[in-house]
Amino acid sequence: DAGITQSPRHKVTETGTPVTLRCHQTENHRYMYWYRQDPGHGLRLIHYSYGVKDTDKGEVSDGYSVSRSKTEDFLLTLESATSSQTSVYFCAISDPGTSDYNEQFFGPGTRLTVL
Amino acid sequence: LAKTTQPISMDSYEGQEVNITCSHNNIATNDYITWYQQFPSQGPRFIIQGYKTKVTNEVASLFIPADRKSSTLSLPRVSLSDTAVYYCLVALDSNYQLIWGAGTKLIIKP
Repeated sequence: DAGITQSPRHKVTETGTPVTLRCHQTENHRYMYWYRQDPGHGLRLIHYSYGVKDTDKGEVSDGYSVSRSKTEDFLLTLESATSSQTSVYFCAISDPGTSDYNEQFFGPGTRLTVL
Repeated sequence: LAKTTQPISMDSYEGQEVNITCSHNNIATNDYITWYQQFPSQGPRFIIQGYKTKVTNEVASLFIPADRKSSTLSLPRVSLSDTAVYYCLVALDSNYQLIWGAGTKLIIKP
């Protein structure tokens, strides 16, 4: 399995508090992604990064920010958590130049509950 | 605007071939289609990817007709362990937009 870890794996927080989720990879892949997964919606892209300090918005980026200061780390911050951000968050990585396929490798997920 | 549509759920029996179809309108020649498998409490895992016609690997086949308005994931001789959610993904080459389907929950019965 690709070396991707997410921390924390579970978190319960209160509305209005800031939350930061961390994704760490040991594969030196160029692209990193943050998704949220909710019942009935499948995977929805929040933000992605195509290199250190290079990030772009996905389809559900409102209320989220990201940072990538090193190749191996991609941070997702909920600036002021709301109950609608209760979800399972997945990090993924990819590197088209290293494979015949542009496949994404996913982390184990972080379950976030906002009360 | 590209969109992907797949059935919400399907069921089948062990040993059968299962075909899951994803509809995706307005995709261009260089846009590729990928299928992922997800088990409960895990992240999705890559199954197969293609641009056109047919691709086969050790676990599945992917059929893409000439008009490229749909694609079909084919799982030969399924077993109980193939019970999972299967996602179709279209990646747009023009702007790198990723269009995920909502997933098909496949249940395999003994």
